[in-house]
Amino acid sequence: NAGVTQTPKFQVLKTGQSMTLQCAQDMNHNSMYWYRQDPGMGLRLIYYSASEGTTDKGEVPNGYNVSRLNKREFSLRLESAAPSQTSVYFCASSERRPEETQYFGPGTRLLVL
Amino acid sequence: GQQVMQIPQYQHVQEGEDFTTYCNSSTTLSNIQWYKQRPGGHPVFLIQLVKSGEVKKQKRLTFQFGEAKKNSSLHITATQTTDVGTYFCAPRSSEKLTFGTGTRLTIIP
Repeated sequence: NAGVTQTPKFQVLKTGQSMTLQCAQDMNHNSMYWYRQDPGMGLRLIYYSASEGTTDKGEVPNGYNVSRLNKREFSLRLESAAPSQTSVYFCASSERRPEETQYFGPGTRLLVL
Repeated sequence: GQQVMQIPQYQHVQEGEDFTTYCNSSTTLSNIQWYKQRPGGHPVFLIQLVKSGEVKKQKRLTFQFGEAKKNSSLHITATQTTDVGTYFCAPRSSEKLTFGTGTRLTIIP
């Protein structure tokens, strides 16, 4: 099992460009999450999906959209990237509920110029 | 809303010394999880504490949950270079999982 996979690993964007971060899990988990990690800020929840077909906003959703394509895949889209979105993005999943153990992907390092 | 404070933010210790990080919440918690993130890596689950006053050990790591279920600590005895990384607490008092800001541990050989 690969666990949680994310693509790409690194990305450089210019301000105003758009991109989609991909995440997939092969553990048959119901819940999936997107976090961003900035120095000194810990992990902040952007969006989560408690089950296929549902998505909810987290702590910092502005500037992002998500799609739970199927049970395995949960993508994060930046429609018009801004320098403030420079960060490391982690996708995670849990078996059923958010309060259960979360399994993280390797992360995507995004730089917006 | 729930306020979570994790201290210290950074800790530098000589190899072989002990290390402790603390996590304090303004609200009573249902449970708390701890994660470790190696430099350049991703967070990895360490343990979950549920009961008031609970103490769990993993080799040199000791995790405690306060009697009032508002605070928790992680203590590492005789640190080794493999302990380097950032330790996050993840308190839960609602359906969502929040994360503390983390304590970054560096080891001086």
